[in-house]
Amino acid sequence: SQQGEEDPQALSIQEGENATMNCSYKTSINNLQWYRQNSGRGLVHLILIRSNEREKHSGRLRVTLDTSKKSSSLLITASRAADTASYFCATEGAQKLVFGQGTRLTINP
Amino acid sequence: GAVVSQHPSWVICKSGTSVKIECRSLDFQATTMFWYRQFPKQSLMLMATSNEGSKATYEQGVEKDKFLINHASLTLSTLTVTSAHPEDSSFYICSAPLSGAYEQYFGPGTRLTVT
Repeated sequence: SQQGEEDPQALSIQEGENATMNCSYKTSINNLQWYRQNSGRGLVHLILIRSNEREKHSGRLRVTLDTSKKSSSLLITASRAADTASYFCATEGAQKLVFGQGTRLTINP
Repeated sequence: GAVVSQHPSWVICKSGTSVKIECRSLDFQATTMFWYRQFPKQSLMLMATSNEGSKATYEQGVEKDKFLINHASLTLSTLTVTSAHPEDSSFYICSAPLSGAYEQYFGPGTRLTVT
C-alpha cells in the first residue's frame, strides 16, 4: 500500500527556477528517502533524512522533515533541463520502501 | 557506486506463456532483493521480498504461484511471471540494499507486454 501523498502531482517550471515538492506519510518512520526516476528507467537514490534530522543538504538538493506533521519537502534549486523526471519520496521500515505517488517535474528551457 | 542490472530490458510474450526476469547485483552481494511493479504514470508497488537461500515473502494481494521468485545466489534473483495475461503487462523493477545501508539501488526495469 502507498504510504502517502505527494504534492503537487505535476510541476512545470522554467530552467533556473527552484522546484519544491512535498510528501506526506502516515506511520512513524526510521528515515525518509527521495528518489528520482527518469522516464522508463529505474530509480536513483537522491538523499536520505533520518527521523531525528530536520534538514539536510546535498548539492542543489535540500530536504526537510517534520515528523510532527508527518511531512517532508524536497527543494531543487537552480533547476536544469536534466532535472526533468519523476520524484518519489519513500519511507523505510525493515528495509522495505513504501513510495509516495510521485511528482512529475518538467523543466522548460 | 553499487550497480544493479536487469535482463531483459523489455519483453513481449503471448498470453499463457511464462516469462523470467533476472535481477543481478553486479558489484556487491545482496542477501535481500525487492521486486516492484509500476503501471504507467503511477508509483511503485512492492510485490515481494526475495531472500537468498529461503522463500520469498509476498505483499498482500500478490499471488505467489503466479509470480515465482528465486534467489539462488547472493547476486541473482529471478522473477517468473507464470501464465501471463495482458493485465500482467507492466514495468517490473528490482532493487537491493547494500549491507547495513538504508538506501537501495534499483535496476533499470523490465517492460513486460503480454499480447
